[in-house]
Amino acid sequence: EAQVTQNPRYLITVTGKKLTVTCSQNMNHEYMSWYRQDPGLGLRQIYYSMNVEVTDKGDVPEGYKVSRKEKRNFPLILESPSPNQTSLYFCASSLFVGGASEQYFGPGTRLTVT
Amino acid sequence: AQSVTQLGSHVSVSEGALVLLRCNYSSSVPPYLFWYVQYPNQGLQLLLKYTSAATLVKGINGFEAEFKKSETSFHLTKPSAHMSDAAEYFCAVSENAGNMLTFGGGTRLMVKP
Repeated sequence: EAQVTQNPRYLITVTGKKLTVTCSQNMNHEYMSWYRQDPGLGLRQIYYSMNVEVTDKGDVPEGYKVSRKEKRNFPLILESPSPNQTSLYFCASSLFVGGASEQYFGPGTRLTVT
Repeated sequence: AQSVTQLGSHVSVSEGALVLLRCNYSSSVPPYLFWYVQYPNQGLQLLLKYTSAATLVKGINGFEAEFKKSETSFHLTKPSAHMSDAAEYFCAVSENAGNMLTFGGGTRLMVKP
């Protein structure tokens, strides 16, 4: 089944403890991205990648890191999480680079930082 | 810079009534426009998209949207609401230069029996 998977789905952690949220797609998509969803703000892009080893900042990159060593994987790294990073995170991918390309979303990761 | 405004964070309709969810955008270039739906505890699913072909776009589950350039709008409609339509709906815009989606704040649709 074609899909975007994320792990874990739920995570509670403490301030400053490094964590990684994994994202994987099995559709051979070129483009991958991370969004965070907060009430009333919709989704905001954190980072994106147009191809292997090519990543760039989105609208809200502060406090996050990403890497794209393989085409299918795009992990999101929080080196020192803070409570303001408590949010619902979505990974997405699309077949090609370009505004018309539909993005496919993962099921989401709910992160709580205490 | 592009932006999206969704009027009404919550909309309530009766089952069988018309659904109208409003979306206005700003973009410096001809945009691509999308409507996504999010059911509880799930990711976003594409309902429909406008990519400069027909201005009236039909999507899944009986939804459609009309692109009106003069009004910079892309409102989502469905003639008759079903209970299963209860969800949160997001309008998004993208420009040709890249894939970044700019989302509106979302509209939660409630359907009353």
